[in-house]
Amino acid sequence: SQTIHQWPATLVQPVGSPLSLECTVEGTSNPNLYWYRQAAGRGLQLLFYSVGIGQISSEVPQNLSASRPQDRQFILSSKKLLLSDSGFYLCAWGLAGVSEQFFGPGTRLTVL
Amino acid sequence: RKEVEQDPGPFNVPEGATVAFNCTYSNSASQSFFWYRQDCRKEPKLLMSVYSSGNEDGRFTAQLNRASQYISLLIRDSKLSDSATYLCVVNSRAGNMLTFGGGTRLMVKP
Repeated sequence: SQTIHQWPATLVQPVGSPLSLECTVEGTSNPNLYWYRQAAGRGLQLLFYSVGIGQISSEVPQNLSASRPQDRQFILSSKKLLLSDSGFYLCAWGLAGVSEQFFGPGTRLTVL
Repeated sequence: RKEVEQDPGPFNVPEGATVAFNCTYSNSASQSFFWYRQDCRKEPKLLMSVYSSGNEDGRFTAQLNRASQYISLLIRDSKLSDSATYLCVVNSRAGNMLTFGGGTRLMVKP
């Protein structure tokens, strides 16, 4: 069966510091991968998605970037965090041609 | 207008009650519809897909009305463990992109 991992689970970072969040999927090949952010009390906002290694599409221009160095690895990064980057970051996977997406446990980021 | 709109609630109901949530979507070309459940400080989990003919899974029934562009979720015999936020989700874009509603919070009380 497929599983999706994210780490770290929680993170507290100062403004201006860098960020690297990692997501890995097991049990499937060539998944579509997604990064979402959920701000406190708000809905999910799609940040990036990827249909294959090295293929990244950005949904919202901001100081975040994403990379997919391996088929089942998706990384979210920032060079300098802003206060507004605080939130719950969720990675999800899905199969090509299938709409359902399945989420990892998330990373709760607080920028101080 | 938001692409997917839901009443944020909260819906406070006693155990055993029947509760229904509605959701409206703006893109008439939408093809796939889902309900996800999100517990506090956890990730969303797929509850059920919503089919044109309507579908049922135990105490949960989902309906789709394409003409009026709304989706409903009915929960019968509510349990304390049903307390969560229910997210209405629509595939309204090319590819496998999903648009999430803001969620409806349900609180089931003893």
